[in-house]
Amino acid sequence: QKEVEQDPGPLSVPEGAIVSLNCTYSNSAFQYFMWYRQYSRKGPELLMYTYSSGNKEDGRFTAQVDKSSKYISLFIRDSQPSDSATYLCAIRAGANNLFFGTGTRLTVIP
Amino acid sequence: GAGVSQSPSNKVTEKGKDVELRCDPISGHTALYWYRQSLGQGLEFLIYFQGNSAPDKSGLPSDRFSAERTGGSVSTLTIQRTQQEDSAVYLCASSSSFHSPLHFGNGTRLTVT
Repeated sequence: QKEVEQDPGPLSVPEGAIVSLNCTYSNSAFQYFMWYRQYSRKGPELLMYTYSSGNKEDGRFTAQVDKSSKYISLFIRDSQPSDSATYLCAIRAGANNLFFGTGTRLTVIP
Repeated sequence: GAGVSQSPSNKVTEKGKDVELRCDPISGHTALYWYRQSLGQGLEFLIYFQGNSAPDKSGLPSDRFSAERTGGSVSTLTIQRTQQEDSAVYLCASSSSFHSPLHFGNGTRLTVT
């Protein structure tokens, strides 16, 4: 079983839609949760970072963590064509004990 | 610098040649990571440096790969006798502590012909 599982998509939505991206993980020791956005030919860019259950909001982005279910989500409201990218979840328990999802490719159609 | 800097951004080399990839982390970040990302694939961990401690080399795919970090700052990833399967994007990331997020550079796109 992989440490973290992420639906690879691809996911295609119309502009303005709400997007839900999800990851599940297997080890309850994981404490720190991150979402990255990666545009083509660029490095992953940190979007959200959280370490507690519940919701964290930043503009149109909301990160949600459910530790009891070992499930994390990223919601994008009012999606824009500029949101088209690959989104990676990352989960961390310590210095080099971190794992990345394989990424979900999102396309927002104008 | 404001972010993690990697050079070169692109490198084309012939099979059998050696290559060196450079990473300049965010100032003050003690942890430095190298990852490899192949087309359409996830991030593959290669090596991790933390301060002056011995690096975690458990992800290096073969003894043709090596890395060093001088003065706790700049790091160089060296691939000897390159093979076509080494073609990928090599990403460097740094972090200020074990519970802080990683910050990535834009990578070096390596093509072995």
